[in-house]
Amino acid sequence: EVQLVESGGVVVQPGGSLRLSCAASGFTFDDYTMHWVRQAPGKGLEWVSLISWDGGSTYYADSVKGRFTISRDNSKNSLYLQMNSLRTEDTALYYCAKEGYGIEFDYWGQGTLVTVSS
Amino acid sequence: QSVLTQPPSASGTPGQRVTISCSGSSSNIGSNYVYWYQQLPGTAPKLLIYRNNQRPSGVPDRFSGSKSGTSASLAISGLRSEDEADYYCAAWDDSLSVHVFGTGTKVTVL
Repeated sequence: EVQLVESGGVVVQPGGSLRLSCAASGFTFDDYTMHWVRQAPGKGLEWVSLISWDGGSTYYADSVKGRFTISRDNSKNSLYLQMNSLRTEDTALYYCAKEGYGIEFDYWGQGTLVTVSS
Repeated sequence: QSVLTQPPSASGTPGQRVTISCSGSSSNIGSNYVYWYQQLPGTAPKLLIYRNNQRPSGVPDRFSGSKSGTSASLAISGLRSEDEADYYCAAWDDSLSVHVFGTGTKVTVL
């Protein structure tokens, strides 16, 4: 059974930093591209970033480019999101998602809540 | 970065057919597959349709997807109370090199 478990969400002040983690199990982690998707309270889904199976390719939404860094450790079946220079508008539930054989997000975690507030 | 436009709401009575539209452009829907996700209240999104019109195993055939040009649509036939959820379309955008989601549609079963 595929499982994705996010962690690391907390309350942080504007300008602060945070690292989110996603522990994956139930599939061959290093075969798949992985993504982060976020959802602000009461709002829609916003794609954040992706990383290829080997970490060689990364892409970011314009809203986080230059502030967030996606990475992975295939030896630990883990995905990460380093978030710097946090803004109030980064407040959201952050989901880790596995890419399928196309570019669909075929499995999602339950999310970890990041609140940026003074 | 919602460049895909959906109606904010749709509704129907049990058994009816509801259709949700998703409008994009040549750089996203016009040149790539469309995906649909269902988000039940308080839960993570779930893949409903992939590659325009394919259903993952376990998704009822009451759900169907289609695409024409720069628009796509999701149809729910035989509407049931458990279909009350938010629905999002998505696609890769070649110009922006990002995934884009639709603005989302809340489906209410009257």
